[in-house]
Amino acid sequence: EAQVTQNPRYLITVTGKKLTVTCSQNMNHEYMSWYRQDPGLGLRQIYYSMNVEVTDKGDVPEGYKVSRKEKRNFPLILESPSPNQTSLYFCATSHGSYNSPLHFGNGTRLTVT
Amino acid sequence: KQEVTQIPAALSVPEGENLVLNCSFTDSAIYNLQWFRQDPGKGLTSLLLIQSSQREQTSGRLNASLDKSSGRSTLYIAASQPGDSATYLCAALHASGGSYIPTFGRGTSLIVHP
Repeated sequence: EAQVTQNPRYLITVTGKKLTVTCSQNMNHEYMSWYRQDPGLGLRQIYYSMNVEVTDKGDVPEGYKVSRKEKRNFPLILESPSPNQTSLYFCATSHGSYNSPLHFGNGTRLTVT
Repeated sequence: KQEVTQIPAALSVPEGENLVLNCSFTDSAIYNLQWFRQDPGKGLTSLLLIQSSQREQTSGRLNASLDKSSGRSTLYIAASQPGDSATYLCAALHASGGSYIPTFGRGTSLIVHP
């Protein structure tokens, strides 16, 4: 079954404690991206990757890091989380061509206290 | 910069009504327009994707149309049901620096009451 898997689904942490949210896909997709979703602000892109070892900043990259060492994985790293990074995070993937649909993971609800 | 707007932001209708959700985009140079459904606290599920060369796509009770020249797409839901209650988002795909980038609207929150 085609899947985009995010882990964990829920995470509560404290300010400054490094964390990683994982994203894995089994569809051999080239394109992977991270979004955060906040009430009243909609979906905002954090980072995206068009292929292995290729990453680019989205609209709100500050405070986040990503890596794309393998095609199937695209982890989101918060080196020093702050309360303003409390949000619902989504990973999305596609083949990266103009006619390929986006597939989303189920989301990670992050709370930073 | 591409901007995508969805109107209305919220909609409450009785069961059985036919309804139209609107999505507009400022840059008509898009490659496709995709409609999604999002249930509370869940991920986005793809409903329909219309390529730039197409005018509409249909899936069951859903029909999406695209008018690139006017920068508009509509999602038509026939004979609405309480199970259709969700937030509906559209995303316009455009090219930027050699990549294809989707820009999302903020969604229309739909409630269909029995």
